Amino acid sequence: EAGVTQFPSHSVIEKGQTVTLRCDPISGHDNLYWYRRVMGKEIKFLLHFVKESKQDESGMPNNRFLAERTGGTYSTLKVQPAELEDSGVYFCASSPRTATDTQYFGPGTRLTVL
Amino acid sequence: AQKITQTQPGMFVQEKEAVTLDCTYDTSDPSYGLFWYKQPSSGEMIFLIYQGSYDQQNATEGRYSLNFQKARKSANLVISASQLGDSAMYFCAMRHNTNAGKSTFGDGTTLTVKP
Repeated sequence: EAGVTQFPSHSVIEKGQTVTLRCDPISGHDNLYWYRRVMGKEIKFLLHFVKESKQDESGMPNNRFLAERTGGTYSTLKVQPAELEDSGVYFCASSPRTATDTQYFGPGTRLTVL
Repeated sequence: AQKITQTQPGMFVQEKEAVTLDCTYDTSDPSYGLFWYKQPSSGEMIFLIYQGSYDQQNATEGRYSLNFQKARKSANLVISASQLGDSAMYFCAMRHNTNAGKSTFGDGTTLTVKP
């Protein structure tokens, strides 16, 4: 069974540009989560989808970040326009049925904003 | 508010010895789960072990065990018989069962296993 996959693995962009990160959860997992780790800081929750619906987006830093999960399968996280402080590693995780199930993480996307 | 504290930024252990990575947490919710993840230099987050707040016994998974002391709000990870491949960053995380799956992470502990 394939794990959570994320694309790209690395992205280097300039301030003001747009970047879209993609996450493919484990097949059949209804719950999808985005987290990020800014350099030297803890991993922080961004948002949680249940199928295609946003269950909790309390961790989204501002309106430059837009997450979607059309059809309840893969998810995208768009940053527009990117700022220097957006640099970090963006992790996606998924869990099968309920929010209490173990979350399995993808390899992350390392975003560098210059 | 939820908070996870990992007080050891870095730890060293000799190969084949056991090591304990500390984790304390703060919550007023009685129903929660505690997790440990390993992040090797390649960057992926690998799930290691889970402990539920109502579990009566400490969780074990192979060489990993979780020393769960509920009254002290601690959930230390014990790795027995350390291997060179155990060198990585380790994160402790907590999730409230009533909070739609949002996990709170500690700052992590970097473990280095010496040959």
